[in-house]
Amino acid sequence: DAKTTQPTSMDCAEGRAANLPCNHSTISGNEYVYWYRQIHSQGPQYIIHGLKNNETNEMASLIITEDRKSSTLILPHATLRDTAVYYCIVRVGQAGTALIFGKGTTLSVSS
Amino acid sequence: ETGVTQSPTHLIKTRGQQVTLRCSSQSGHNTVSWYQQALGQGPQFIFQYYREEENGRGNFPPRFSGLQFPNYSSELNVNALELDDSALYLCASSSVQGGEQYFGPGTRLTVT
Repeated sequence: DAKTTQPTSMDCAEGRAANLPCNHSTISGNEYVYWYRQIHSQGPQYIIHGLKNNETNEMASLIITEDRKSSTLILPHATLRDTAVYYCIVRVGQAGTALIFGKGTTLSVSS
Repeated sequence: ETGVTQSPTHLIKTRGQQVTLRCSSQSGHNTVSWYQQALGQGPQFIFQYYREEENGRGNFPPRFSGLQFPNYSSELNVNALELDDSALYLCASSSVQGGEQYFGPGTRLTVT
């Protein structure tokens, strides 16, 4: 699977949008971009995924560049409960494939 | 809809012992994956089961083994425990092979 690069940490004020970048310059055409987050000592939580088009759900928006070499996860109105480690993962959508977690970005939301 | 559940929550074992961890999939999910997360690290893939067969495995020795049952619940067995096996063990289920995975809360294993 392709590797991803994320900033180690980011800060965000409560109520503002949090924009988390991810670089995946070696992504293959059949690899999806997945985002998960992990709040301290809990299991990772699925947020969103996409292939080429931008995606939005009740939690977040995913913006993928046209060349697919990078993406941005947007939390539109961050709250204190969004403080977590955010993982960007690229993965082929086929049987037996794993999620390969890197170090992720630690997002700290403060009031 | 019930999410992924795991038992026990915490466990303490002695080096050399064997341990069994359990996972119940989210309703309607037929694929289960297991991950190991050491302190301060991201989760690492152990293996995946689909319809009671292992169909993917990470870089873990054979003393890590698993089972999936007809109701899609699963077990992770670890033999000859080592101190480095101390970690959070996570189970994740999915409804489609290769689709998004939903994680349980994990089992914290401590080996002394």
